[in-house]
Amino acid sequence: AQTVTQSQPEMSVQEAETVTLSCTYDTSENNYYLFWYKQPPSRQMILVIRQEAYKQQNATENRFSVNFQKAAKSFSLKISDSQLGDTAMYFCAFIIPEPFTGTASKLTFGTGTRLQVTL
Amino acid sequence: EAGVVQSPRYKIIEKKQPVAFWCNPISGHNTLYWYLQNLGQGPELLIRYENEEAVDDSQLPKDRFSAERLKGVDSTLKIQPAELGDSAVYLCASSIQGAHTQYFGPGTRLTVL
Repeated sequence: AQTVTQSQPEMSVQEAETVTLSCTYDTSENNYYLFWYKQPPSRQMILVIRQEAYKQQNATENRFSVNFQKAAKSFSLKISDSQLGDTAMYFCAFIIPEPFTGTASKLTFGTGTRLQVTL
Repeated sequence: EAGVVQSPRYKIIEKKQPVAFWCNPISGHNTLYWYLQNLGQGPELLIRYENEEAVDDSQLPKDRFSAERLKGVDSTLKIQPAELGDSAVYLCASSIQGAHTQYFGPGTRLTVL
């Protein structure tokens, strides 16, 4: 079974500081895609960053970067220069393409980490 | 480019009543998903469409839930009759066929009294 574990239910960081959110996952597949989504109180699930499992280089999007450790099945998110607008639930998720066709499949999500950015 | 549109944003109904949610995906996105998000949890897939075909509905409780995507664009998710345990957020997402990044709508928060 494919599972995602986010062991930090809540975290807090001061504005302008750096915070790292943890995520581990379990799958026997070799080809998959990893994501971090952000869900503010408005409930809109917003894509933060994406990582292809076949790429060794860690993905980066402005202040957001990941530390992808495939052997350890770990996919942490680092937020640099935290801003008040980063306050949200953060969900780690992965997707395994359909066999043979490689087409889209379902996202498997963790239970989320609630991040509070304070002044 | 407009994002995924969902309506209504909020719905309050009494148990045993029917309810319907509507989703309009991003233009050109052939794949459409409905997810259920219970409080304090991550979303879980209910059904996935490729164009107008439901290719994965294994997690859809078919005794009371139904969905349709008649022309391969908009989709409607229906619950009849609603139960107290159906109170949750219903999220719609879409992606380009063959791509693996899904884009979500704002969701519908359902409260069943």
